[in-house]
Amino acid sequence: KAGVTQTPRYLIKTRGQQVTLSCSPISGHRSVSWYQQTPGQGLQFLFEYFSETQRNKGNFPGRFSGRQFSNSRSEMNVSTLELGDSALYLCASSLDGRGLNEQFFGPGTRLTVL
Amino acid sequence: ELKVEQNPLFLSMQEGKNYTIYCNYSTTSDRLYWYRQDPGKSLESLFVLLSNGAVKQEGRLMASLDTKARLSTLHITAAVHDLSATYFCAVDNFNKFYFGSGTKLNVKP
Repeated sequence: KAGVTQTPRYLIKTRGQQVTLSCSPISGHRSVSWYQQTPGQGLQFLFEYFSETQRNKGNFPGRFSGRQFSNSRSEMNVSTLELGDSALYLCASSLDGRGLNEQFFGPGTRLTVL
Repeated sequence: ELKVEQNPLFLSMQEGKNYTIYCNYSTTSDRLYWYRQDPGKSLESLFVLLSNGAVKQEGRLMASLDTKARLSTLHITAAVHDLSATYFCAVDNFNKFYFGSGTKLNVKP
């Protein structure tokens, strides 16, 4: 069974630009969550999508947005990039996202904002 | 907001020794997870603890959950170098996952 895949794996952008990251969950998984990992703030929950609907949201500004498609693939978008957005962005998928199932993490996208 | 505290944050230990990592959290939850992260890699799920008193073991690692004390422990028995990694606990609160800061474990030969 293929794992969670994320593209691209590495990305370099400049301040003010926008970026879109993609996540393909494990086949059959309907919940996709996104996390930001930085040395200073650790792992922080961004949002969770289930059946094309945002079901939960963390405490991030509106510059961070996402969506989920009918095949459960998800994208997240960050607009007007700031230096502090440099981080490893991880997505995780689970069967139904209700916590009764494990979350499986993708390899991450490392975003550098210059 | 739910807080998850892990300690210690850094742990350097000799091979063959035992140690415990602690994970405290600030609000009621009966779902706790342990993950391992190797440098430059993603998170690997280790344990899913879903009820008070849950205990799970895999190899040299054993995790337990006390929901009344809001405490989970990850016990390492007879550590080996391959266990060197960063270990995170995470608490599920209404489908939002809150992670601890991580414990960076270094097992020295």
